[in-house]
Amino acid sequence: QQQVKQSPQSLIVQKGGISIINCAYENTAFDYFPWYQQFPGKGPALLIAIRPDVSEKKEGRFTISFNKSAKQFSLHIMDSQPGDSATYFCAAYTGRRALTFGSGTRLQVQP
Amino acid sequence: DTEVTQTPKHLVMGMTNKKSLKCEQHMGHRAMYWYKQKAKKPPELMFVYSYEKLSINESVPSRFSPECPNSSLLNLHLHALQPEDSALYLCASRHPGQGNNEQFFGPGTRLTVL
Repeated sequence: QQQVKQSPQSLIVQKGGISIINCAYENTAFDYFPWYQQFPGKGPALLIAIRPDVSEKKEGRFTISFNKSAKQFSLHIMDSQPGDSATYFCAAYTGRRALTFGSGTRLQVQP
Repeated sequence: DTEVTQTPKHLVMGMTNKKSLKCEQHMGHRAMYWYKQKAKKPPELMFVYSYEKLSINESVPSRFSPECPNSSLLNLHLHALQPEDSALYLCASRHPGQGNNEQFFGPGTRLTVL
């Protein structure tokens, strides 16, 4: 059973544009929601994370918006750059302190 | 040192071979993880060690055998694998503690089973 649903599967954005990736979860016991960035041939790297008692968190060009009642959260990448081209995974922590990942979004930022 | 290292980077093995993947971290983390990642898919949890004890085994076939010899090292022993086991194997670590959730991932070992 997929516990974190992610969309879109792929995304093409022009340089300087805004990239938006959405995730939805089912398990209300999740208490930590990270986003990971993965480049080809590399392991995932933590980008930004949020707890459900916060509605928004911003770090540089990256912002997480969190809607607890709707059980949805999203990643916004402002002023997208070609170097942001990567696969992005949303995730959630279960009570076992192990990550459950979304299916991933392949972002391509065109110059 | 905020790095998780994995060796080898690439491994090609036959179905009758025995090989081991190694993972090392020197961040003092006491939780270590093995994930399997197929192409264009998210990582899938295999095993979790907490304070050198196996705490989670996600019903992984016995041809995968984890080992945590000390708090810095994590091994994954491979035996009689199948071609469908070809994947990127990722190690991660985390310091257990309330409010501390960040997992640090290694670069992975790209495994090909012939």
